Parts: sequence; structure tokens; C-alpha cells
Amino acid sequence: DQQVKQNSPSLSVQEGRISILNCDYTNSMFDYFLWYKKYPAEGPTFLISISSIKDKNEDGRFTVFLNKSAKHLSLHIVPSQPGDSAVYFCAASPKGEKLTFGTGTRLTIIP
Amino acid sequence: GAGVSQTPSNKVTEKGKYVELRCDPISGHTALYWYRQSLGQGPEFLIYFQGTGAADDSGLPNDRFFAVRPEGSVSTLKIQRTERGDSAVYLCASSLIGLSNSPLHFGNGTRLTVT
Repeated sequence: DQQVKQNSPSLSVQEGRISILNCDYTNSMFDYFLWYKKYPAEGPTFLISISSIKDKNEDGRFTVFLNKSAKHLSLHIVPSQPGDSAVYFCAASPKGEKLTFGTGTRLTIIP
Repeated sequence: GAGVSQTPSNKVTEKGKYVELRCDPISGHTALYWYRQSLGQGPEFLIYFQGTGAADDSGLPNDRFFAVRPEGSVSTLKIQRTERGDSAVYLCASSLIGLSNSPLHFGNGTRLTVT
């Protein structure tokens, strides 16, 4: 049972444009959501998080949106840069307990 | 070093052998997590330590897997009688207090291959 789903295994975006990565979850107990970025042969690196009491969190070029009623979150990257090419994982947690990860979306930024 | 350190980076072993994977968390981080990532999947939770004790080991797949953190710092994941299905990247992560207050910081992982 996949509680965190990333339905797009890959995404290609032109440099300078907006990248939008999507994530859906099924467990209504999840109240803390994170995005991680992963380069080959490295561990995932924390990017941005949001708690369920908010619907938006922004950090520089990265913004995460949370729609609790739809159990959906998205990560917006604008403007996209070549160094953003990586695999992005959505993750969720109930009340500070263990993280459950999605299967990842491979983002490719085209110069 | 400032980050989470995992050794070895790669481990090849024969089916049926015993392996140990080591994790050095960020200094001062009390929470330590082990995850396993198979090809094409996201990391899957194995076990979580708060200090020296295992707060949640519900992700360990069976009794061949065991982890310790005797002094509340370094942790070792132990796998007995390895099987080919154990082949994966084993990731360790630490956080300052626990997930509710700080995100997880991951190491680069140990790639385990069971032949």
C-alpha cells in the first residue's frame, strides 16, 4: 500500500521555466511533509518542508503548496536551473514519527 | 566532518554471509534512522533510535536484521544469512531531536550487493 505517491516518474523542463512536481498521499494522519533532492551516489538532501497548519511555504526559488482536502502537495521551482536536475522525493510523517517516501520524480532541466 | 558518514560505501558479499554496516551521525544528533532503498523505489523505513534505544523497529523485514546504537552515537546495522533480495542501498540519517523538530540529514549510503 503506497501511502505517498508520485505518479510522474520523470519530468523535463526548459531552463528558466517553472518546474512543478506533484505528490499525493492517502494517510490522513500525516501532518508534516518534506521534499528531498537526490543526486546519483549521494544520499537525499533536505530541500523544504511544510506542516499541516500551513498551505504554503517558500524558500528562495522553492515553494511547497499543501492542499489538505485533496491530500495533495506540490513543489514549484522557479526559475529552473541546470543544477536542479536530480531525483525529487516527497515524504510525509504523522506527528513527528518515521518518514514515508514516495517513489521519486526524475527532473531534467534542459539548457 | 559535518555530515552523516556511512562505511563501507560499497559491500559485496555472498549469499548466506553476515554483514555489518556502520553509521556515524552528525555530532549531537540524538535521533538516528536506517532506511533501505531498492532500485526505482523511495527509501523505506527500517528502524529509528532515540539515544541508545530503538524507539521504532517496525520496518525491519525479519529477524535476520538487527541494529544497535550502544553509546547513543555510532550505529551498526547487522544482517545475518544474507539473501539476494537484501541487495539495496542502505541509508542512515540523523536529526537533532527527532523528526517533529528537525528534518533528517542523510549519509551517502552503503550499496550492498549479495551474489
